[in-house]
Amino acid sequence: EAGVVQSPRYKIIEKKQPVAFWCNPISGHNTLYWYLQNLGQGPELLIRYENEEAVDDSQLPKDRFSAERLKGVDSTLKIQPAELGDSAVYLCASSGGPYNEQFFGPGTRLTVL
Amino acid sequence: GESVGLHLPTLSVQEGDNSIINCAYSNSASDYFIWYKQESGKGPQFIIDIRSNMDKRQGQRVTVLLNKTVKHLSLQIAATQPGDSAVYFCAERTGGGNKLTFGTGTQLKVEL
Repeated sequence: EAGVVQSPRYKIIEKKQPVAFWCNPISGHNTLYWYLQNLGQGPELLIRYENEEAVDDSQLPKDRFSAERLKGVDSTLKIQPAELGDSAVYLCASSGGPYNEQFFGPGTRLTVL
Repeated sequence: GESVGLHLPTLSVQEGDNSIINCAYSNSASDYFIWYKQESGKGPQFIIDIRSNMDKRQGQRVTVLLNKTVKHLSLQIAATQPGDSAVYFCAERTGGGNKLTFGTGTQLKVEL
């Protein structure tokens, strides 16, 4: 069974540029999460989707971050414009099994120059 | 606010020894705890979980202990192997919605 797929794995951009990350959750998982992980720290939730509905986006900086999950499967996370402080790993996770365990993708490492 | 934290940022053990990684949490309303292992360049990987109505849970070579009196969680790894080298995070769930709050992480280094 394929795990959570994320792309790109690495992205380097200059500040003020836009960037987008893509996530394909495990098949059948209705819940999708985007996390931000700074170096040496645990992941922090940005947004959680139940199917196509964002049910918790309280930690998403809405002035520059946006996310969508139009058909309730794949999701994209966008930053526009990117700032130096956005350099981090962006993790996607999904859940939906009987124990609701969250499975994480490998993440996208963003470097903003 | 409420938080989850780890006592030791780095733990070095000899191969074959047992490892103990500790975690303190402050939200007494948390009902579910998880330990994750994260290797370099990878996402966190589920190791073992425990519900708040339990004190101990065992898996393959791993044991999680929960002490609700002092709000302390520990992960014990038996016969630590080089492949156990990673950063370990504890996470807690409070309330509904499967929202997890992660601690800072402990780097486990296994010396040959």
